[in-house]
Amino acid sequence: ETGVTQSPTHLIKTRGQQVTLRCSSQSGHNTVSWYQQALGQGPQFIFQYYREEENGRGNFPPRFSGLQFPNYSSELNVNALELDDSALYLCASSLAAGPTYEQYFGPGTRLTVT
Amino acid sequence: KQEVTQIPAALSVPEGENLVLNCSFTDSAIYNLQWFRQDPGKGLTSLLLIQSSQREQTSGRLNASLDKSSGRSTLYIAASQPGDSATYLCALNNNDMRFGAGTRLTVKP
Repeated sequence: ETGVTQSPTHLIKTRGQQVTLRCSSQSGHNTVSWYQQALGQGPQFIFQYYREEENGRGNFPPRFSGLQFPNYSSELNVNALELDDSALYLCASSLAAGPTYEQYFGPGTRLTVT
Repeated sequence: KQEVTQIPAALSVPEGENLVLNCSFTDSAIYNLQWFRQDPGKGLTSLLLIQSSQREQTSGRLNASLDKSSGRSTLYIAASQPGDSATYLCALNNNDMRFGAGTRLTVKP
């Protein structure tokens, strides 16, 4: 059974640019959640996708957007990058949507905005 | 809004010591609580998940407890080892997952 994978591992972008991060969910999982973890803080929920539809969103501006594909992999897109967007971005997959389902986390993508 | 607090922020202990990490939360209407380990710059490794109806879970040298009435959870680590050095995060699941800021543990040989 393959776990959650994320790409790329590291990324450096310039303020104002756009970035796309990718996540492959664990086999059999149809739900993907994205989190932002700033240095020294706990992860913060960005949004969740369930069967290709957004299923909940945290307190992030619209320039954070996402997609989920028919194979349940997912993308996180961030437009007009700001310095504060520098963080570790984590995705997690679960068997289904809903708080009773355990989430399994990937290794993360480290984004640096200069 | 759920607030999750972890105390202490950092802890340093000699190898072999038993230790307790604390997690407190403001909203007891949770579905489950999860403890994670995070190595520097890495993703999250799930250690223990306690469902709302449970009071504790054990895995090897780890024991996690949950007291919803007092809004507290503890992670007990027995006979600590240098390999246990990492940041430990607790997370509560209401309708989205809320994390504490973590406790950074250093176990000295």
